[in-house]
Amino acid sequence: GESVGLHLPTLSVQEGDNSIINCAYSNSASDYFIWYKQESGKGPQFIIDIRSNMDKRQGQRVTVLLNKTVKHLSLQIAATQPGDSAVYFCAEKTPGTYKYIFGTGTRLKVLA
Amino acid sequence: SQTIHQWPATLVQPVGSPLSLECTVEGTSNPNLYWYRQAAGRGLQLLFYSVGIGQISSEVPQNLSASRPQDRQFILSSKKLLLSDSGFYLCAWSVLVSGAYNSPLHFGNGTRLTVT
Repeated sequence: GESVGLHLPTLSVQEGDNSIINCAYSNSASDYFIWYKQESGKGPQFIIDIRSNMDKRQGQRVTVLLNKTVKHLSLQIAATQPGDSAVYFCAEKTPGTYKYIFGTGTRLKVLA
Repeated sequence: SQTIHQWPATLVQPVGSPLSLECTVEGTSNPNLYWYRQAAGRGLQLLFYSVGIGQISSEVPQNLSASRPQDRQFILSSKKLLLSDSGFYLCAWSVLVSGAYNSPLHFGNGTRLTVT
């Protein structure tokens, strides 16, 4: 269903530090998870994905961690840059459905 | 490579007027197509999805409808817009990979609709 709340949670980090964005997903049967970055006025952009048979996956400067026991997903961004400032969403997909369900989103602000 | 086009980018419409938003995908066949809506400062609400021509699944009963007249074309419509229809409308596509797994959703750049 739709996220609630007019004010997105915000994470402020110093440029050059590492960022960790967290997401609690809703369905224990979900087997596919995706992180997106959305800049103002644009559509969400794919960052990285992970399937439930893995607990960690790394990309360029990003790492996704999956903890199925507590239904938790995190996105780690190394050496955060001003261009990383955006809203970040996690999404989950359950096998046997075509629906991708999105989390509420977190705004990342990078401080110079 | 695959691309997705949405138009128009912005739209201002009076209450009670009709709506037609169009989305097309290039570079892939038989995609799954989606319409999401995003209210200001909120997450993404799934409105409709389609797994084939003429096949539409509606997620939220409302003032909108969707159609898929061609494999790579997805249209969002309304006969009479309400103020509450204002929002950021996003089209997206996915495909099956490796025969069983879905790809990530890939989004267009959205249409900002303001109903006045």
